[in-house]
Amino acid sequence: QSVLTQPPSVSGAPGQRVTISCTGSSSNIGADFDVHWFQLLPGTAPKLLIYGNTNRPSGVPDRFSGSKSGTSASLAITGLQAEDEADYYCQSYDSSLSGWVFGGGTKLTVL
Amino acid sequence: QITLKESGPTLVKPTQTLTLTCTFSGFSLSTSGMGVGWIRQPPGKTLEWLAVIHWNDDKRYSPSLRSRLTITKDTSKNQVVLTMTNMDPVDTATYYCAHRKLGILTFDYWGQGTLVTVSS
Repeated sequence: QSVLTQPPSVSGAPGQRVTISCTGSSSNIGADFDVHWFQLLPGTAPKLLIYGNTNRPSGVPDRFSGSKSGTSASLAITGLQAEDEADYYCQSYDSSLSGWVFGGGTKLTVL
Repeated sequence: QITLKESGPTLVKPTQTLTLTCTFSGFSLSTSGMGVGWIRQPPGKTLEWLAVIHWNDDKRYSPSLRSRLTITKDTSKNQVVLTMTNMDPVDTATYYCAHRKLGILTFDYWGQGTLVTVSS
């Protein structure tokens, strides 16, 4: 069981908006540690989509956005495209575990 | 441009020691604030952080695997080496190395990963 909880799957039609939640606890997200989001595609290097809760690295489309509140965070993807079909993981830091922790991952299906 | 690439055996036997090398470019581990970490993903499971080493030789390990892991760096070769002892079939996973910058608690550039299978 992962330290951060994500829904196993989400889906949406092209052009729609989807959100992926990430729920933590008082020792990670709730302790004011930042949340970061990754996109994983088979056979490719994991890609950092969002860092520091809301920031996009250079080259990441503004269709991707992040937010954080309390012990939870969310990744929103607007204007869904077929190429967005991938696995998405949230990540934070946990003070009790003294290390980096990940969510269980969410598979996004573009219908 | 930062790039990283993992290398090592694709198959190890139970109880053996795994040695993985991360060769990187685009930054130096002698530069203040730089770090390289290792993360793995067993088939069908989530990502798990293993270890990280920083420019000042500060090393951090996953508490659950600390007794089995050693991370070292060779600044002249732009390489980081991870060893994991007493390998078990449950350690079968894709192993990634990744770059981090001090001040941001994440890894911003990753290698493509290398699949290691533990089987007799």
